[in-house]
Amino acid sequence: QTVVTQEPSFSVSPGGTVTLTCGLSSGSVSTTCYPSWFQQTPGQAPRTLIYNTNTRSSGVPDRFSGSILGNKAALTITGAQATDESDYYCMLHVGSGIWVFGGGTKLTVL
Amino acid sequence: EVQLVESGGGLVQPGGSLRLSCVASGFSFSSYWMQWVRQAPGKGLVWVSRISPDGSGTTHADSVKGRFTISRDNAKNTLFLQMSSLGVEDTAVYYCGRGIVVGSAVPGYWGQGILVTVSP
Repeated sequence: QTVVTQEPSFSVSPGGTVTLTCGLSSGSVSTTCYPSWFQQTPGQAPRTLIYNTNTRSSGVPDRFSGSILGNKAALTITGAQATDESDYYCMLHVGSGIWVFGGGTKLTVL
Repeated sequence: EVQLVESGGGLVQPGGSLRLSCVASGFSFSSYWMQWVRQAPGKGLVWVSRISPDGSGTTHADSVKGRFTISRDNAKNTLFLQMSSLGVEDTAVYYCGRGIVVGSAVPGYWGQGILVTVSP
């Protein structure tokens, strides 16, 4: 069974830069996994930030960016704001039309 | 404005069945991939199912394969999730999602979610 891995938690200072990663339990993440990233605050539906590795969803500020770093997908937030404190999830296409979410990263801004 | 409104959730006993609906508006429903994603209380997001724009192609997560069926009625702009043999592990908020762009199965618009509780 394919497992998508994310850091359970991360902390960033206001104005700082943070990079969250998304890996596979076996193998490397590439653009053919079509990495996407989602932001969710408690009690709310997810918000789509990034799809197809690095394409920002409509209305998403450019301080959110996606990339491939080594063998993982990455979400970088530059100039972190208090409002960025959320849970962040990545999702990967693992083949045969199957998609898998990572376990999520709880980001704290302080 | 894109709107997705789920309904059909509620309390069901283990082994029971339930059908979720998601009514779409504000876009050309028959042009987009649609998905179901769920989230157990206090847990992370879990991808459940996806369906092609014309309904001919469906995929389900292994955890629900054989028990859940995704379908759609393009004439009524409605997405469905038929759930059977429900277990307590299926307790979750279920979100329907629309492909972020035509041709993409990545959810870009989300409903508000509907709670399904499986309990004796």
